[in-house]
Amino acid sequence: AQKVTQAQTEISVVEKEDVTLDCVYETRDTTYYLFWYKQPPSGELVFLIRRNSFDEQNEISGRYSWNFQKSTSSFNFTITASQVVDSAVYFCALSGNNAGNMLTFGGGTRLMVKP
Amino acid sequence: EAGVVQSPRYKIIEKKQPVAFWCNPISGHNTLYWYRQNLGQGPELLIRYENEEAVDDSQLPKDRFSAERLKGVDSTLKIQPAELGDSAVYLCASSSRGGVGTEAFFGQGTRLTVV
Repeated sequence: AQKVTQAQTEISVVEKEDVTLDCVYETRDTTYYLFWYKQPPSGELVFLIRRNSFDEQNEISGRYSWNFQKSTSSFNFTITASQVVDSAVYFCALSGNNAGNMLTFGGGTRLMVKP
Repeated sequence: EAGVVQSPRYKIIEKKQPVAFWCNPISGHNTLYWYRQNLGQGPELLIRYENEEAVDDSQLPKDRFSAERLKGVDSTLKIQPAELGDSAVYLCASSSRGGVGTEAFFGQGTRLTVV
C-alpha cells in the first residue's frame, strides 16, 4: 500500500517570505515516482515536478526547489520569496511500479500568501 | 494545445437522481482517469482507462457508479442514484501513456452537490 502524508494542512506567510511544504511518503515499491501539483482556486491540478526514486538530486526551478531524501522518505517543496499568486493548495503524490500509474495523493497543504 | 475539458463545471441535484459528467482528454492521450476529490482532501482514483479498456476500476462503487469511454476518446462518468455522500469534485485527467511516472494533466473538475 502507498501513503502520502502532508502534515501541514494550512500555512500562512507574508509575501517575500520563504516557505517549505513537507511531504512524507510510504511505499514498498523499489521503483516509484513523486510529484507535486498545485491546485489554484480555479480547481485544476497543475503539474509542478516529478522525481523518480533513483534520482535524489535536488532540483531548482526559478523560485521553486525540491529536496528529495530517500533516507527519511521525504520530498519537500520550498518556495523562495513567496508571492500572492503562489496562494493555492499544494498536493504531493506518489505512484509506484506495483500500482500502475495510480497517483496516491496527500491531503494537501493550503498556502496563503498575504501582501 | 487544448487541455482536458470537463462539463458541466457545477451540478446540483436532489438525492436519488441520476447525474452524468463528461470529459474530453488531451488529443492523443490514450490513458484517461477519473478521480474524486472530497472537500479538504486529495483526489482519489475511481477508474483508469487505457484506450477503451477500463484497466483499474477497483475503487469505483459499482453499485451506483458507471463509466464508459467509447472509441477511446471522450468519457462519461455516471452516478445513479446519487446519494448525499457523493457530493465532491470529480476530476478527469489524461496522460500520453499509462506507465508509472507518467505526468497526468487534469481538467478543472465538476463540482457535484447532492441535496
